Amino acid sequence: EVQLVESGGGLVQPGGSLRLLCTASGFTFSIESMNWVRQVPGKGLEWLSYISSSSSSIYYTDSVKGRFTISRDNAKNSLYLQMNSLRAEDTAVYYCAREPGSVPAGVPEYNYYYMDVWGGGTTVTVSS
Amino acid sequence: IQLTQSPSFLSASVGDKVTITCRASQDIGRFLAWYQQKPGKAPELLIYAASTLQSGVPSRFGGSGSGTEFSLTVSSLQPEDFATYYCQQLKSYPRSFGQGTKLEIK
Repeated sequence: EVQLVESGGGLVQPGGSLRLLCTASGFTFSIESMNWVRQVPGKGLEWLSYISSSSSSIYYTDSVKGRFTISRDNAKNSLYLQMNSLRAEDTAVYYCAREPGSVPAGVPEYNYYYMDVWGGGTTVTVSS
Repeated sequence: IQLTQSPSFLSASVGDKVTITCRASQDIGRFLAWYQQKPGKAPELLIYAASTLQSGVPSRFGGSGSGTEFSLTVSSLQPEDFATYYCQQLKSYPRSFGQGTKLEIK
C-alpha cells in the first residue's frame, strides 16, 4: 500500500525548534518529489516547501524561508522538515505530499504536476 | 499567484449539480489541481491538469478551464461529496491554494 506517515509534531515554545519526519512506503521514494503543506485548524491549506527527488531543487514559501529547512534521505525513505524560530502562527497540522518526480519526454508538463498521495498529518502547537 | 475560489460556501442537496470556480491572478495554463478534504482528514486529489480525473475518482466530478479561469463540477451530488474543495496552482513557486469552498447539505 502506498503510504506516507508524518511524525515529530508536538508542543513547543515560541522560538523553539522541531523536526518533522515523513516516512514513505509502498512506492519508490527516491524517484518522486515531495512537498510539505500545512493547515491551521479551521483554515485553508498552505503550501510550504518542495524538494525534488535528488534534492537538487528546493523551494519555500516566504513565510518560512530562512526558518524551515526541507531535506530527504532516499536510503531511509524519509522526508524531513526542520523548523526553527517557531512562532504561534506556525501552529497547524503539517502534511507531507508526494508529487511525480519526472515528466516523460514529449508529454505536456502539466500532466505530471499534482500531489497525489498525502500523509495523515502531524500537529504542531507553538505556545508558551 | 493568487487563486480565488467562488463561492466560499455552497449549500446544495443530494442530486444537485454544482460548480465551483477558481480564478488565477495570472495565466497558469493547465497547471491546476483540485482536492477534496473531509473534516479531520488529509486532502485527496480529484483532478489534475485542470481536467484529468485522478484514478478512482467518480466520473460525476469534472474539471475544465485553462489560463486564469477554471471550474470544478459535480454532476449529481452524493452524500459523500459534502466536503471542502481546494484548487491549487502548480505553475510556479510558491505554489498556492485557493481559500476553499465548503459544500454543505441543504
